[in-house]
Amino acid sequence: QSALTQPASVSGSPGQSITISCTGTSSDVGAFNLVSWYQQHPGKAPRLLIYEVTKRPSGISNRFSGSKSGNTASLTISGLQADDEADYHCCSYAGSSKVVFGGGTKLTVL
Amino acid sequence: VQLVQSGAEVKKPGQSLKISCKDSGNSFATYWIAWVRQMPGKGLEWMGIIYPGDSDTRYGPSFEGQVTISADKSINTAYLQWSRLKASDTAVYYCARQAAGDMFDSWGQGTLVTVSS
Repeated sequence: QSALTQPASVSGSPGQSITISCTGTSSDVGAFNLVSWYQQHPGKAPRLLIYEVTKRPSGISNRFSGSKSGNTASLTISGLQADDEADYHCCSYAGSSKVVFGGGTKLTVL
Repeated sequence: VQLVQSGAEVKKPGQSLKISCKDSGNSFATYWIAWVRQMPGKGLEWMGIIYPGDSDTRYGPSFEGQVTISADKSINTAYLQWSRLKASDTAVYYCARQAAGDMFDSWGQGTLVTVSS
């Protein structure tokens, strides 16, 4: 059970859109529509942004959206804001009651 | 659901440790609680889960035999325990509710464990 693969860092200017990829295998991301995404500011606990690939919890801005194609899931943030600067983590169910996270991506708002 | 974790710990290699995660709500026994490790400057790692209602426990492959997850539903508290700490156990440990859809919708504030001689 290997960690999902995310880019180490991405960046964008305020108002722009960025996409973070999360690549797994046919045993995790590709097998289940159970991908979730989390935002984590420095020194804080993670916060759920997206679950079941595309769903947003109550209170999460519609600037955050999720998608999946094959073994790769993606998180898109539109209309970048300064407060979006944070680490982003993807997560997938991997069968047999196991879960696997990605390595995390640091988003810099230029 | 509001999960409150025990405070930071500083331990020496070889010592034991048990950290806790308490739910201030009244549905603790009806959902899975997960433990997640974050080593310094690294990503999140799923360690395992417990269902406090019947103490059914599952472990991630890297953590089986390395830690013990337990719970006491009478006091709405889950635990993560080490019998012999190593320097490589230095990390922040989070508890979180693992809800339907295998997502984590409520998190504790994290417990920093530092293991150093």
